[in-house]
Amino acid sequence: DAGVIQSPRHEVTEMGQEVTLRCKPISGHNSLFWYRQTMMRGLELLIYFNNNVPIDDSGMPEDRFSAKMPNASFSTLKIQPSEPRDSAVYFCASSFGGRVTGELFFGEGSRLTVL
Amino acid sequence: KQEVTQIPAALSVPEGENLVLNCSFTDSAIYNLQWFRQDPGKGLTSLLLIQSSQREQTSGRLNASLDKSSGRSTLYIAASQPGDSATYLCAVDSNYQLIWGAGTKLIIKP
Repeated sequence: DAGVIQSPRHEVTEMGQEVTLRCKPISGHNSLFWYRQTMMRGLELLIYFNNNVPIDDSGMPEDRFSAKMPNASFSTLKIQPSEPRDSAVYFCASSFGGRVTGELFFGEGSRLTVL
Repeated sequence: KQEVTQIPAALSVPEGENLVLNCSFTDSAIYNLQWFRQDPGKGLTSLLLIQSSQREQTSGRLNASLDKSSGRSTLYIAASQPGDSATYLCAVDSNYQLIWGAGTKLIIKP
């Protein structure tokens, strides 16, 4: 398996623009997580899907952030409008599990810079 | 509320040494604990997952132990190599949430 695939790897955009990050989880995994990592705040869970259904979105910073998982092989994280404080590395991870997390596999991340 | 602590934040040792990384958690009611490594500019790679009913897991030169009663896990790295240089993070599944430590940055000097 190719592992968790994220795109784009790097994104530079201007404040106010829409940003869409994409993720393809490992085939057969039924849980998908979006994380954000910064030097100041470390690794933060944004949203967690199980069987394509959002289970916990309490980490989504505000209404500017939205995530979808239309099917088991694809998820998007959208930021609209983007702000400089959104600059971070965004990771997608997947696992096989129910409420208890199984072994977690991460993508390489999408590094977002908002000018 | 579960809290996960990793001390020290950074560690530098000569190549060849055996070393131990620590992970402490405040609530012993966990489902499992995972150890990850993160190389600069990369994603996290799962190293070992220990279920709450297990005491330890081994993979190659790595051995992770779990003592729920004392709220501790250790990651033992034998015969360290420069390629082991990375940040090591632990995460506990507690109340159906993964709670993360801040990580230990490990540097192995040739």
